[in-house]
This record gives sequence, structure tokens and C-alpha cells, in this order.
Amino acid sequence: EVQLVESGGGLVQPGGSLRLSCAASGFSFSTYWMHWVRQAPGKGLVWVSCINSDGISTNYADSVKGRFTISRDNAKNTLYLQMNSLRAEDTAVYYCARRSSIVAPYYFEYWGQGTLVTVSS
Amino acid sequence: DIQMTQSPSSLSASVGDRVAITCRASQSISNYLNWYQQKPGKAPKLLIYAASSLQSGVPSRFSGSGSGTDFTLTISSLQPEDFATYYCQQSYSTPWTFGQGTKVEIK
Repeated sequence: EVQLVESGGGLVQPGGSLRLSCAASGFSFSTYWMHWVRQAPGKGLVWVSCINSDGISTNYADSVKGRFTISRDNAKNTLYLQMNSLRAEDTAVYYCARRSSIVAPYYFEYWGQGTLVTVSS
Repeated sequence: DIQMTQSPSSLSASVGDRVAITCRASQSISNYLNWYQQKPGKAPKLLIYAASSLQSGVPSRFSGSGSGTDFTLTISSLQPEDFATYYCQQSYSTPWTFGQGTKVEIK
């Protein structure tokens, strides 16, 4: 059974940092692209970042570029999101999601349960 | 960025009703369109991928259609467990973008 379990969320002051983790199990983690998607309270879903299977290629939403860094440790089956210079507008539930396999069109096949990040003084 | 616009933003319907939600892309995205269902406090769940392919385990009352810029999610006979928010999402180009969501409520 595929499982994605996020952790690391919490309350942080504006300008602070936080690192989210997503522990993967039940599939060959090192062969899949992985994504982060967030959802502000009462709002819709917003794509944040993605990373390819070997961690070499990454992409970011303009709103987080230069502040957030996505990475992965395939030996530990874990995805990360390092979030620096946090702003109030980064407050959201952060989901990790596994992209579908090789052939396009692609989609988010599996999602974690999410971890809440609150940026407030 | 490709903008995704859903309509309506919300709707009220009764059990057994046929419901249709539309999604329009700001440019052609071929069939790179997916639909998700989200219930309060839960992660999104994939319903339809590649515009019209039903994800394994999803009831057949859900169907998707469309290509290019205009897409539709149809629920043929609304069930109590279908009251939720539905999102379309394009995977044609990065950044992957979502529609604003359609909340389906009980009439």
C-alpha cells in the first residue's frame, strides 16, 4: 500500500524557517517524481514545487522561488521542503503528492494527509 | 501560466441528480486534465485523469469529457458521499495549475 506521511509543520514567526518531510512507503520511491501542493485555510489547491526521481531537476512556483528548496533522499525514501523567509501568506496545509509514472498525461496519483504550517507572530 | 476556470463555484443538488461541472483552460491543453474530489479536512482524491480515464476504484457514476480548452466532470446520479469540493488541474505545463474548485452541497 502506497503511503505518504508528512511531518514538520507548526507555528513559525514571519521571516523564520521550517523543513517539511514526507516519508514514503509501499512503492519504489526513487523512480517517481514528487510534488508539494499547498492549501491555505478555506482556499483552493496551489502547486508549490516538484523534483525528478534522482533529485537533479526541480521546479518552483514563482511565489516561493528563491525561498523554498525541494530535495529528496532516496536512500531514506523521504521528500523534503526547506522553507525560508516565511511569510503570512505561506500559511497553509502542505501536501506531498506522487506523480503518476512515465507516460503523460501526468497526474497526482497519491497524496499525503498534509501538515499545517502557520506563519504568525 | 495556464489559468483554469471552473463553473459553477458552487451548486446545490439532491441525491439522484445529474451534476455537471465545467473547467476551461486559458490555452489548449490537449487531454492533460485531471479531476480531484476533496472532502473537509482530507487530502484530495484523484477521480479522473487524462480528461476521461476513470481512476481505479472510483465509481462509474463519475465521468469526464473534453479536449483542448473545455472539459466537463459529470456525476450521473449524485450520492450522499459525493458532497464535496471538486477541482480540475492541468498537467500540460509547469506550473501545474488548479481550478478554483466547485463545492457541491446538499439541496
